[in-house]
Amino acid sequence: EVQLVESGGGLVQPGGSLRLSCAASGFTFSSYWIHWVRQTPGKGLVWVSRIKGDGINTNYADSVKGRFTISRDNAKNTVYLQMNSLRAEDTAVYYCARGAYGLYYIDSWGQGTLVTVSS
Amino acid sequence: QFALTQPASVSGSPGQSITISCSGTSSDVGAYNYVSWYQQHPGKAPKVMIYDVSNRPSGVSNRFSGSKSGHTASLTISGLQAEDETDYYCSSYTTSSTYVFGTGTKVTVL
Repeated sequence: EVQLVESGGGLVQPGGSLRLSCAASGFTFSSYWIHWVRQTPGKGLVWVSRIKGDGINTNYADSVKGRFTISRDNAKNTVYLQMNSLRAEDTAVYYCARGAYGLYYIDSWGQGTLVTVSS
Repeated sequence: QFALTQPASVSGSPGQSITISCSGTSSDVGAYNYVSWYQQHPGKAPKVMIYDVSNRPSGVSNRFSGSKSGHTASLTISGLQAEDETDYYCSSYTTSSTYVFGTGTKVTVL
């Protein structure tokens, strides 16, 4: 069974940093793109970033480019999202999600971790 | 990158069919046949219902179908049931190698 478990969320002040982790199991981790998608409570889904299985190729939404960095450790089956220069508008539930193999959609999601940016 | 445009709400009676539109641009919906649709119940993670415009993953009811014309994709739910009442989001791969979601549609079963 595919499992994605996020951790690292919490309360952080504007301008601060936070690192989210996504621990994966139940599949050949290094073969899959992993995405981060966020959702402000009561609002819509917003795609944030993705990283290829080899850890070399990454993409970011314009709203986080230059502030967020995605990385992965295939030995630990874990993806990270380093978030710097956080703003109030980054407040959201952050979902880790798996890209379907060889296709262009998300086929599995974690349960999410809440990030709150507030003073 | 602007969100794809969906109607805020769509409603229908049990047994009826409804269609949710998803309007994009030549850089996303109009560029590729990589549109997917997700269902999300309150407090839950999304679930894919349609991928590559019109393909249904294993286990998804055949009451759900998808199509696309130009820059607009559509999700149709046939034989509407009470359990279909929730939020739906479209998504598209883009020419910038990123993804974009729609604004979301709340489906109400009258």
